Amino acid sequence: EPEVTQTPSHQVTQMGQEVILRCVPISNHLYFYWYRQILGQKVEFLVSFYNNEISEKSEIFDDQFSVERPDGSNFTLKIRSTKLEDSAMYFCASRVGTQTTDTQYFGPGTRLTVL
Amino acid sequence: AQSVTQLGSHVSVSEGALVLLRCNYSSSVPPYLFWYVQYPNQGLQLLLKYTSAATLVKGINGFEAEFKKSETSFHLTKPSAHMSDAAEYFCSVISSGNTPLVFGKGTRLSVIA
Repeated sequence: EPEVTQTPSHQVTQMGQEVILRCVPISNHLYFYWYRQILGQKVEFLVSFYNNEISEKSEIFDDQFSVERPDGSNFTLKIRSTKLEDSAMYFCASRVGTQTTDTQYFGPGTRLTVL
Repeated sequence: AQSVTQLGSHVSVSEGALVLLRCNYSSSVPPYLFWYVQYPNQGLQLLLKYTSAATLVKGINGFEAEFKKSETSFHLTKPSAHMSDAAEYFCSVISSGNTPLVFGKGTRLSVIA
């Protein structure tokens, strides 16, 4: 069964450094998402992406964040200058279309630790 | 705006006992509701979803949930817990096809032998 994959599974970085989290969505999916979960808190929406542009973004997704689909398979989340509060589990999701019955399929997540 | 509240951050049941995980929603429009499960070191996997068809929804692994508009609830149940059900369970809501999922805080289910 096709699945969403994410790399790395765990990333440790120093405050102020740039990180890139990578995702490979399911191949025929058109919509892509990033969510994050700070330890002990809710899973929160960051950004959605369709047709090579951001479809929607939350208040969390400020100028420090960017997303890109550099080729036909990868979908990346970049944090330009990491802060301690960026430490969280980051989930990528993809979906074939926008019908409500279209399920969002999630990857296993990348745990980001900012020291 | 939509929101979901999951009552109980941790639920512990004995193997073979009924599993009941509670979720209440708030939505100004007819909601679409989902339960996801996260096993250790894995991603979120869809258990079941309510999209305004039958109010009793059956999912994978013997789980089901009932949409009750009068109670604004979408509780997840399983008649008999299995050790393999130990995981984190997330209730979520969406208002229409393209909007992002809004999640509850999650409930960790422990199953005791």
